[in-house]
Amino acid sequence: DVKVTQSSRYLVKRTGEKVFLECVQDMDHENMFWYRQDPGLGLRLIYFSYDVKMKEKGDIPEGYSVSREKKERFSLILESASTNQTSMYLCASSLNFRRETRYEQYFGPGTRLTVT
Amino acid sequence: QKEVEQDPGPLSVPEGAIVSLNCTYSNSAFQYFMWYRQYSRKGPELLMYTYSSGNKEDGRFTAQVDKSSKYISLFIRDSQPSDSATYLCAVSYNFNKFYFGSGTKLNVKP
Repeated sequence: DVKVTQSSRYLVKRTGEKVFLECVQDMDHENMFWYRQDPGLGLRLIYFSYDVKMKEKGDIPEGYSVSREKKERFSLILESASTNQTSMYLCASSLNFRRETRYEQYFGPGTRLTVT
Repeated sequence: QKEVEQDPGPLSVPEGAIVSLNCTYSNSAFQYFMWYRQYSRKGPELLMYTYSSGNKEDGRFTAQVDKSSKYISLFIRDSQPSDSATYLCAVSYNFNKFYFGSGTKLNVKP
């Protein structure tokens, strides 16, 4: 059973703080993704990574950075948290596009981040 | 223009009803189509996957893609209270990037 875990379910941070969100998957997936989910806007892709140390910007990368030093771990970093980054953050993983069942993304439970 | 548009609902139906959930997409190059279900306070989970046009059935669920009108649908037969969730459609070119609709919240009343 694929498992994607996220370091925190709920997080409250102050404006200007540096915030780290951690995601770990245990199925040796090549691809990993960070999304944010907001009411009425759905899931929006922040960054994704298709290999260790590789990353690509998604649709809304501003104010975020990522790190992938190991295949199973993908970190999202908010360099200086702002109130408009209050959101639900979802991590996902999937197999490389050349592999079977590559269409399935497995999601973590999400981290609800509040920036005050 | 957003890649995928989805009516947010909420949609409320009685138990046993047939439910129809729909999305439209903007780019005819999309060829992979997915439906995810998200229960409250959980991450989305894959429900159905379709490649190109046509229908796919899995138990009470049927996914339908009409590429000529860029329209995707999910039908739920004999809906149950346990089907109450938010349903998200998603499209992709190549599985390295996915575009999601905003989700339709469904409530099935006992």
